[in-house]
Amino acid sequence: GDSVTQMEGPVTLSEEACLTINCTYTATGYPSLFWYVQYPGEGLQLLLKATKADDKGSNKGFEATYRKETTSFHLEKGSVQVSDSAVYFCALSPNDYKLSFGAGTTVTVRA
Amino acid sequence: NAGVTQTPKFQVLKTGQSMTLQCAQDMNHEYMSWYRQDPGMGLRLIHYSVGAGITDQGEVPNGYNVSRSTTEDFPLRLLSAAPSQTSVYFCASSYSRDREAFFGQGTRLTVV
Repeated sequence: GDSVTQMEGPVTLSEEACLTINCTYTATGYPSLFWYVQYPGEGLQLLLKATKADDKGSNKGFEATYRKETTSFHLEKGSVQVSDSAVYFCALSPNDYKLSFGAGTTVTVRA
Repeated sequence: NAGVTQTPKFQVLKTGQSMTLQCAQDMNHEYMSWYRQDPGMGLRLIHYSVGAGITDQGEVPNGYNVSRSTTEDFPLRLLSAAPSQTSVYFCASSYSRDREAFFGQGTRLTVV
């Protein structure tokens, strides 16, 4: 079945450091890919998405490119801030409305 | 717009008790779903609905019931709570599969 594997955390960084969270997927067909972010005490919110191969999603300085050849959708940010501390989830949606999530990666950014 | 509203935010139940977690959305989304979030396991789909009167099981449906009598509401019922149902529950809605899913703030449930 469809599944998502993402880098295990927790990840602790200093402010202005580079962040990469690896995400790979297994799916039949051509799923849509998402990154969701969960700030402390809140629900998940969409960070970025890509709906077809080679699409690049971007938002708030974060980027991820849909790589079909490597079945990956890695999340990157060049310079993190304390406010980026959160749990990040990679997810995919195949040919229906259902989302399959990775286990989540906790990121802590220190000032 | 309120978005997706879940109630209650916190709940403690005794084993064997029943309760209903409420979820309402005001965005006229056809698709609604319930997830549970457990440490190290991400979010797992419990039940979902693609429209009023239509529901289906997700990955972990045992011990939970749902119904969808209106577009706006999608309650989740625990018939006989068990400690294994201790979790954080999220309701979500979306317009289509390529559109983002909007999540409620979650219900933290503890079964003792």
